[in-house]
Amino acid sequence: GENVEQHPSTLSVQEGDSAVIKCTYSDSASNYFPWYKQELGKGPQLIIDIRSNVGEKKDQRIAVTLNKTAKHFSLHITETQPEDSAVYFCAASKREGNNRLAFGKGNQVVVIP
Amino acid sequence: DTAVSQTPKYLVTQMGNDKSIKCEQNLGHDTMYWYKQDSKKFLKIMFSYNNKELIINETVPNRFSPKSPDKAHLNLHINSLELGDSAVYFCASSQDTVLNTEAFFGQGTRLTVV
Repeated sequence: GENVEQHPSTLSVQEGDSAVIKCTYSDSASNYFPWYKQELGKGPQLIIDIRSNVGEKKDQRIAVTLNKTAKHFSLHITETQPEDSAVYFCAASKREGNNRLAFGKGNQVVVIP
Repeated sequence: DTAVSQTPKYLVTQMGNDKSIKCEQNLGHDTMYWYKQDSKKFLKIMFSYNNKELIINETVPNRFSPKSPDKAHLNLHINSLELGDSAVYFCASSQDTVLNTEAFFGQGTRLTVV
């Protein structure tokens, strides 16, 4: 099955700096790559996603890039703010009868004011 | 207005007990899921139901049994609880299994087995 690796496991950044989280996946048939943000005491929430026919997608301060050849995708957060502090999960799945999201192990991002 | 709601939010129980966690979604989604999140925050899928039919059943002990009375509900029953079952359990739903659409998660149920 799909195996998603996520690095680094923790990331501390100064407020205003950028944060980058990288993920790799194993199954070349995967074609959907969402990113979820989990705040303390809450469930994960989708913040951005990208499909395999696109190399980059941006939504305000958040962007995701996908390199299908290398099988990796990254989340970029610019101008970080304290409210960006959370656990971020990348995931991957493929277009089949059973949509099974394989999650990375999560990345704790801490934005230091 | 909650999209995916699960109850209870916290559950503390003794080893050997049987407990249930309920989940309801009001989004009209076809597919519902149960995930387990361990102390290291690792999210692992347990079950997936599409239109009340089981479509994913990961390697989960038989003590865990999902029940879907209708498309909007997916409850999780756990028999003979063990210490290792302590975790946060998340219910989620999505619109379609093929088109890879967004999964909406509930707030989680923190289960503590003592």
